[in-house]
Amino acid sequence: EAGVTQFPSHSVIEKGQTVTLRCDPISGHDNLYWYRRVMGKEIKFLLHFVKESKQDESGMPNNRFLAERTGGTYSTLKVQPAELEDSGVYFCASSQKPISYNEQFFGPGTRLTVL
Amino acid sequence: AQKVTQAQTEISVVEKEDVTLDCVYETRDTTYYLFWYKQPPSGELVFLIRRNSFDEQNEISGRYSWNFQKSTSSFNFTITASQVVDSAVYFCALSGDNFNKFYFGSGTKLNVKP
Repeated sequence: EAGVTQFPSHSVIEKGQTVTLRCDPISGHDNLYWYRRVMGKEIKFLLHFVKESKQDESGMPNNRFLAERTGGTYSTLKVQPAELEDSGVYFCASSQKPISYNEQFFGPGTRLTVL
Repeated sequence: AQKVTQAQTEISVVEKEDVTLDCVYETRDTTYYLFWYKQPPSGELVFLIRRNSFDEQNEISGRYSWNFQKSTSSFNFTITASQVVDSAVYFCALSGDNFNKFYFGSGTKLNVKP
C-alpha cells in the first residue's frame, strides 16, 4: 500500500511568488493534516480536513495560505504571495476514520525555500 | 495549553552506547496520548510508539524502551546498544483536547558514529 506522498519534494521560489504544494493521503483515509517545521523548530499544526471539509484551521498563519481538498482525496496548500518566513518543511499526514488519537501517517515533506 | 519540550537539540554517541532522549510535556487534559516519531534522512516521519495517559507501564520493543512518568510529565525514549541506522531526528508529540492534532517538540537529532 502506498504511503502519503507529497509533491514537490523541494521548491525554491522568490519572495512574492506563488507556490502550491500537493499531498496525496493514503487511500481511504478521510483525515488529512498539514504541518510545518520552520528553522529547526517544532513541527506545528496548520490544519485538518475530514474528507473535503476543514475541521480545524486554527494553525494557519495568515490569509496568504489557502488549503483545499476537493473531492476529499488529495489536498493542495497554496502560499500566495510567499514571504521569507514561509521557508520550512511542510508535512502532510493522514489517518483512518474515526478521527482519533491513532497514529498519523506522515509524508516525506516538501522543503520550501523562499529567497 | 499543550506543549512538548525536547531540550536536547543534538546528541552524538558511539555505536553500541545507550542513549536516552528526553521529552517533557504540558497539558491540562486528563486524557491524552504521547507519541514518538523517527525522521530518517529520507524525510518522512515514522511512527514508533503511542502511549495513553492512563497507562504508565514502561514499554520495551527490541532495543527501544520508553519510560512514561506522569509525576514528572515525561516520556523518555532509550535506545540500547545504538547502531548507525538509529541516526535520525526523533520527535516527541502530544495529542490531547479533541485529539485532532499533534503538538510536537522541536526534535532531537541523534548521531550514532561507528
